[in-house]
Formats: sequence, structure tokens, C-alpha cells
Amino acid sequence: SQKIEQNSEALNIQEGKTATLTCNYTNYSPAYLQWYRQDPGRGPVFLLLIRENEKEKRKERLKVTFDTTLKQSLFHITASQPADSATYLCALDPPSSASKIIFGSGTRLSIRP
Amino acid sequence: EAGVAQSPRYKIIEKRQSVAFWCNPISGHATLYWYQQILGQGPKLLIQFQNNGVVDDSQLPKDRFSAERLKGVDSTLKIQPAKLEDSAVYLCASSLDGVTYEQYFGPGTRLTVT
Repeated sequence: SQKIEQNSEALNIQEGKTATLTCNYTNYSPAYLQWYRQDPGRGPVFLLLIRENEKEKRKERLKVTFDTTLKQSLFHITASQPADSATYLCALDPPSSASKIIFGSGTRLSIRP
Repeated sequence: EAGVAQSPRYKIIEKRQSVAFWCNPISGHATLYWYQQILGQGPKLLIQFQNNGVVDDSQLPKDRFSAERLKGVDSTLKIQPAKLEDSAVYLCASSLDGVTYEQYFGPGTRLTVT
């Protein structure tokens, strides 16, 4: 069956360092991969989308890579700040309407001052 | 632009009771999603609408859950009768159309079934 795995443990990073979050998937061939941020008690907020034919996408301090051979996406936050502390979710979009979007369980990121 | 609105924000019911959630998507968004998010897990898609038609409801427990999107705008999700395992946050999201994948989420409704 289709499966997505994100860092199961919470990630604690010193302010100013680069945080790297991982999203691995199996038995799936997504057309798109998305990253969302979720704060406690709130709905997810869209951050970045990367297509299967793109290797890398950047937005300000955020960078996403997508390796369809390794079936893995990496999400980087450079120059991390305490305000970046949240849970980050990856989501895989199917190549057709025959399949549905799948979210990972998320990685909780804490940036300490 | 106004975001996705959901109500109520919190609901506590006893098992076997019924409950309904309401969602108003962003104006002009054709696609509407309902998700169930259990504590510590990612959102799980329950049903996806394109305008007022159902695109996917394969994970909707149809013996107890129902959803509608009359007139292709706002939507309601109903649970009848509720079970203890239905305790979760119910998230509504919308996107511009079935091609644009970026989703905008509402704040969610936290349901507790006792």
C-alpha cells in the first residue's frame, strides 16, 4: 500500500542553523509534492509545491528537493528562527484523479534561541 | 481575501449522537476537501468535491458519514451515529480548481466523542 514517512522524532535545531526535514514514500508515483506548515490548533498552511520533473524549488529561506529515484523529498529552512517552530507536513498529489492526495504525519520542528 | 471558514470550532458529543460541521470555502474556489486529522497524524482525505460533484470519497465511512455541497459553494459534513474513534479535528480546505493543487485550510473543528 502507499506509504509516506517523515522524521518520526521531533527535530531540535539551534537558531541560525539549517533545518532539514525528510519525506520518504513508497508504492507511489506522485505528480506533485507539497509542503505545509501547521501550528497548534490551526489548519495547515501551504509553503511550497514541487513537480516530479523539478529537482529543486526555493522560496526565501525555504528550499525543497525532489528525487523520484530515491522517492524522497528534503525540506530545508536556512537561517532558522524560533518563529519557524511548527509541525511540517509533506503531501503527495497523484498523477491522475484515480488516486487521492496523501499527507505524511508531519515532523515537529523546534528552533531554540 | 477572506479565508476558509468553519463552524463550530469545538464540539463535544456522546457516542451514538449526531453532529454536523459547516464549511465555507474561499470565494471562487471550485474544489473543496474534508479531512480528518487524528492527534499526532497527518490529515486524511475524507471527501473531495469539484463544484457540487464528488471527485473522491473512497475513505469516507459511508455507513455513518455523509457530506454535501449544494450549489457548489459551502458544504456540510455529518456524522450519525458518532463513535469514540471519530474524535479528531475535521479540516475543510479549498483550492482554485482541480488543476491548482495549493490548498487553503480552515481552522478546523475539534470533535470529542465521549
